[in-house]
Amino acid sequence: DQQVKQNSPSLSVQEGRISILNCDYTNSMFDYFLWYKKYPAEGPTFLISISSIKDKNEDGRFTVFLNKSAKHLSLHIVPSQPGDSAVYFCAASAESSGDKLTFGTGTRLAVRP
Amino acid sequence: EAQVTQNPRYLITVTGKKLTVTCSQNMNHEYMSWYRQDPGLGLRQIYYSMNVEVTDKGDVPEGYKVSRKEKRNFPLILESPSPNQTSLYFCASRRDPNSPLHFGNGTRLTVT
Repeated sequence: DQQVKQNSPSLSVQEGRISILNCDYTNSMFDYFLWYKKYPAEGPTFLISISSIKDKNEDGRFTVFLNKSAKHLSLHIVPSQPGDSAVYFCAASAESSGDKLTFGTGTRLAVRP
Repeated sequence: EAQVTQNPRYLITVTGKKLTVTCSQNMNHEYMSWYRQDPGLGLRQIYYSMNVEVTDKGDVPEGYKVSRKEKRNFPLILESPSPNQTSLYFCASRRDPNSPLHFGNGTRLTVT
């Protein structure tokens, strides 16, 4: 039972344009959401997070939007750069479940120069 | 430098031969966890620990053991590895449930 889903395994975007990565979840108890970026041969690195009390969080070129009623979050990267090419994972946790963090299957983003 | 260090980076072993993957963090984090990454399945949590001597199962704990005798170390033990445990393993730590995970660089395990 995949509680966190990233339905697009890959995405290709032109440099300078917007990248939009999507994530859906099924567990209504999730109240904290994170995005991680992963380059080959490295561990995932934290990008941005959002708590369920907000619907938007911004950090430089990265913005995460949360739609609780639709159980959907998205990561916007504007403008996209070739160095953003990586695999992006969304993750979710519930305060009641200790340190249990559930990841999606990842979306591979390729930014074309 | 704040980091999570796991060793070894690469490991090839045979079915049934016990192995341990070590993990250490220098950030004084309470929370530590292990994940495996497999194609098409993303990152799945194996075990996590919220404090010394406190461990709990994640989504895929079968075939694995962990221990948390000290705050900084959280080794992953495979008592009798099998080929379906061939995977890329990541150790991670964080200060509390509302702070981001810091990951190690991974251990690629092959069980033949």
